[in-house]
Amino acid sequence: GEEVAQTPKHLVRGEGQKAKLYCAPIKGHSYVFWYQQVLKNEFKFLISFQNENVFDETGMPKERFSAKCLPNSPCSLEIQATKLEDSAVYFCASSQTNYGYTFGSGTRLTVV
Amino acid sequence: KNEVEQSPQNLTAQEGEFITINCSYSVGISALHWLQQHPGGGIVSLFMLSSGKKKHGRLIATINIQEKHSSLHITASHPRDSAVYICAVRPSYSGGGADGLTFGKGTHLIIQP
Repeated sequence: GEEVAQTPKHLVRGEGQKAKLYCAPIKGHSYVFWYQQVLKNEFKFLISFQNENVFDETGMPKERFSAKCLPNSPCSLEIQATKLEDSAVYFCASSQTNYGYTFGSGTRLTVV
Repeated sequence: KNEVEQSPQNLTAQEGEFITINCSYSVGISALHWLQQHPGGGIVSLFMLSSGKKKHGRLIATINIQEKHSSLHITASHPRDSAVYICAVRPSYSGGGADGLTFGKGTHLIIQP
């Protein structure tokens, strides 16, 4: 399809619980990105993939965050033992090198 | 460290006015994106630029690589253009298409009827 599909749209977790977010990139796009938007307009890059390989994970707090993009499955971002500060909107995007990004509609994670 | 500065942070204008939003960045880039985020939260990619100028409908984006500066213009602005406009850059220091973007803090535009 021509959209990046993110699920769920909203997720509420108690502090310390696990959260798992999913992203189906556009078919044929080789690159997948995860971004975290906190407050209104503060975007933070988390991780990128080239096909199923991690390309850059410098933005990931690795002690609790992990991500995968396996063949024939949606990509996933998992947060173990969520903290209040993880509350944010998590955006997935996909692209081919010379074309613009397409963003998903985001997953709003609320940790209570 | 790559920094992306946008101005103005907030802009309120009357319907029909010509709008300009500016973006400056501090390192060499391979591409610059202009994004639009509506109050509902969805992000739309408006332009990806590496040089020159692009036009789509009433929107025009320009970039000056030497000056590390880009502008987004909206002609004949309309209340439906009200949104946050975000500049984001892909640095050129590493190769490949999987480099993460660095974002500006956005410009909150309100067009009043």
